[in-house]
Amino acid sequence: KQEVTQIPAALSVPEGENLVLNCSFTDSAIYNLQWFRQDPGKGLTSLLLIQSSQREQTSGRLNASLDKSSGRSTLYIAASQPGDSATYLCAVDDTGTASKLTFGTGTRLQVTL
Amino acid sequence: GAVVSQHPSWVICKSGTSVKIECRSLDFQATTMFWYRQFPKQSLMLMATSNEGSKATYEQGVEKDKFLINHASLTLSTLTVTSAHPEDSSFYICSARGGLKPNEQFFGPGTRLTVL
Repeated sequence: KQEVTQIPAALSVPEGENLVLNCSFTDSAIYNLQWFRQDPGKGLTSLLLIQSSQREQTSGRLNASLDKSSGRSTLYIAASQPGDSATYLCAVDDTGTASKLTFGTGTRLQVTL
Repeated sequence: GAVVSQHPSWVICKSGTSVKIECRSLDFQATTMFWYRQFPKQSLMLMATSNEGSKATYEQGVEKDKFLINHASLTLSTLTVTSAHPEDSSFYICSARGGLKPNEQFFGPGTRLTVL
């Protein structure tokens, strides 16, 4: 059974700092991994989706990497801003058709002024 | 594109009553819709998967008679929490799959259910 873990569970950084969020999964036979952002009381916003054949994806200040063989992904946020404060979730797709996503436990990020 | 809506965004009900939550795909036809539950400071747990026109498939431990799912059209799925109790209070999120990106789920904004 796939298990997804995110470390740290919570993180507080001053504005402007670069930071890395970690996601690990137990079964490396995944088709893709996706990073989401969730604001308090809101739904999920997709940030980046990395296919298993890719090593990384970039969108603005966000960069996600994937090391499938070691079961790890990282989300790098450059020059953090208070507006980046949210919970970040990673999810893996073992099916290739998004039939079932396994979510991590999330990292609650707070960027302070 | 690929917008999913939920209604209501929040609902408060008395214990023993039933509550219906709607999930709609606004700009694409969703062949499959998914229902998740999220408790405070926890991750999303899949409750059930529904395909248009067929019965939903429930995850282990989810009571299908308590959480009724109907996916009557390619743009609408409903989750009815029957005889709700305080322990059913949670954040319910739906997602939909289909359209131009059939191998990706698109998530709704969630519904906060509080049972008194």
